[in-house]
Amino acid sequence: SQQGEEDPQALSIQEGENATMNCSYKTSINNLQWYRQNSGRGLVHLILIRSNEREKHSGRLRVTLDTSKKSSSLLITASRAADTASYFCARRDTGFQKLVFGTGTRLLVSP
Amino acid sequence: GAGVSQSPSNKVTEKGKDVELRCDPISGHTALYWYRQSLGQGLEFLIYFQGNSAPDKSGLPSDRFSAERTGGSVSTLTIQRTQQEDSAVYLCASSLRGGSTDTQYFGPGTRLTVL
Repeated sequence: SQQGEEDPQALSIQEGENATMNCSYKTSINNLQWYRQNSGRGLVHLILIRSNEREKHSGRLRVTLDTSKKSSSLLITASRAADTASYFCARRDTGFQKLVFGTGTRLLVSP
Repeated sequence: GAGVSQSPSNKVTEKGKDVELRCDPISGHTALYWYRQSLGQGLEFLIYFQGNSAPDKSGLPSDRFSAERTGGSVSTLTIQRTQQEDSAVYLCASSLRGGSTDTQYFGPGTRLTVL
């Protein structure tokens, strides 16, 4: 499978703590995106980072990309119970239109 | 404006029956994608439509699966002679032009259960 790998598979933290999720891949990418999914249904786009970028921020989200190591990380700072969801990285390989999703990280933030 | 809508939200069918799943993309979006999400396979691409170009069918798992997009808008995913391994959530997404940095907006999905 070309599916990207994410770790950890599951992460349980307390409100206020930071959550870090990692994504690795093996291909040449145009960009890498992070999505959030609640209750196994609709996916919500969070942030996109291009292959020539190293870091992007959006509110409490920080994404890094290391193309030499073929890895990306998503950091959620000062987590809230409402951040509880599954998070997926999705890469856009060079020359392709489809997104290839990672295996996902289930995040549980306890009050 | 309205997001991507899908119908039905849930579908239970018997093995061997045909099913049709519908997707209404965001108005004005020229690119439309189908994905499915199952416990065993995760989130996987099925098919991609862009304007009047030939669709990218490279993700369809078998010839029992087909999709069409009429008038550049609504799309229907058809699964013939359903099998239990077809049970999954089928997700549709659309984007403005299908560009590499265009955001794909996902619908709520159709949960298909094949008994």
